[in-house]
Amino acid sequence: AQKVTQAQTEISVVEKEDVTLDCVYETRDTTYYLFWYKQPPSGELVFLIRRNSFDEQNEISGRYSWNFQKSTSSFNFTITASQVVDSAVYFCALSEAGGGADGLTFGKGTHLIIQP
Amino acid sequence: EAGVVQSPRYKIIEKKQPVAFWCNPISGHNTLYWYLQNLGQGPELLIRYENEEAVDDSQLPKDRFSAERLKGVDSTLKIQPAELGDSAVYLCASSPGQGALSSYNEQFFGPGTRLTVL
Repeated sequence: AQKVTQAQTEISVVEKEDVTLDCVYETRDTTYYLFWYKQPPSGELVFLIRRNSFDEQNEISGRYSWNFQKSTSSFNFTITASQVVDSAVYFCALSEAGGGADGLTFGKGTHLIIQP
Repeated sequence: EAGVVQSPRYKIIEKKQPVAFWCNPISGHNTLYWYLQNLGQGPELLIRYENEEAVDDSQLPKDRFSAERLKGVDSTLKIQPAELGDSAVYLCASSPGQGALSSYNEQFFGPGTRLTVL
């Protein structure tokens, strides 16, 4: 069965600091997809990124970057020069190929607090 | 383009009462999901529809929960009777494509319905 672990329940940093959110996953499938979603206080989950299991290339999008390492089953998310607007709950999620019968399996989320 | 619409946003009921949640997915999205999100937890899948067919409802507590997606567009999730433990946020999501693509495509989430059972 698939599982996603986000060990950091809450992280609090001061604005402009860099912060990394950890994600460790478990799956028996060789083909799978990893996602990060952001859930601001309004409650609506917002898609940030998708990575497939065959693409270990790291990705950078503005202040956001993602580090995918199959050897450690991790898909970590780094925010550089954090801003107050980054405050939210961030979820890592996994989807196994083969029709997505289980939908997305989410971690418990990391509550990120950026203090001004 | 309009996002996923859910109503109501908030619902407070007494235990043993029935309750229903409504979801309108993004136009053209074949796949629709209902998730349950407890406080401090990630969403958990309840049911997945491809068009009007429920292709995965293994996590839906069928003794009290039911869902339908008539005509493959809007969907309704019902609880009857509600219990105290049902207090949570119920999220609806949709995605384009179906079958193998449903595990690849990003899901678009609605704002959720926060249910409080007293």
